[in-house]
Amino acid sequence: AQTVTQSQPEMSVQEAETVTLSCTYDTSENNYYLFWYKQPPSRQMILVIRQEAYKQQNATENRFSVNFQKAAKSFSLKISDSQLGDTAMYFCAFMKHGGNQFYFGTGTSLTVIP
Amino acid sequence: KAGVTQTPRYLIKTRGQQVTLSCSPISGHRSVSWYQQTPGQGLQFLFEYFSETQRNKGNFPGRFSGRQFSNSRSEMNVSTLELGDSALYLCASSPRAGENTEAFFGQGTRLTVV
Repeated sequence: AQTVTQSQPEMSVQEAETVTLSCTYDTSENNYYLFWYKQPPSRQMILVIRQEAYKQQNATENRFSVNFQKAAKSFSLKISDSQLGDTAMYFCAFMKHGGNQFYFGTGTSLTVIP
Repeated sequence: KAGVTQTPRYLIKTRGQQVTLSCSPISGHRSVSWYQQTPGQGLQFLFEYFSETQRNKGNFPGRFSGRQFSNSRSEMNVSTLELGDSALYLCASSPRAGENTEAFFGQGTRLTVV
């Protein structure tokens, strides 16, 4: 079975600063994908970034980047130059290769303070 | 291109009643997955449909069922509602089955059971 753990229920960051959200996971799979999803008050889950486990290079999408440590089963999200619109719940998720089911963490509520 | 559409957005039902939720995937997407989101249990996988066939089912009682139509639209049904079924129900659509790493989520249906 796969489990995803987010140990930070709530975090806050000053606008324009950098913040890192933590995620660890447990799996016996060797090929899989990891994701960070953002859920603003509108409730829609929006993909922030995706990492393929077989790729050693960390994924980057504009102000969002990840630190993927496969051996440590760690997948943290760094948000640079935080903006007010980044305020949301952030979920870390796992999907095995060839799978059709996300395994989500419990989420981190991020507040960007003006 | 229209996104994933879930109807209704909000629903209030009484214990013992049944409810049907609808999800229209992105045009051309053939895979639809359903998730239940609650404060206590987080996001949990309900089931996935592809080409009108249920491919995978999560650990939910038989009161939870679903189906998919030939146009890929999906419905989920919950019979004999319990207070604990109060949740946000999210639908995700993907272009194909077996690798739902390109999933797009709808805004969800907020179900309240009283």
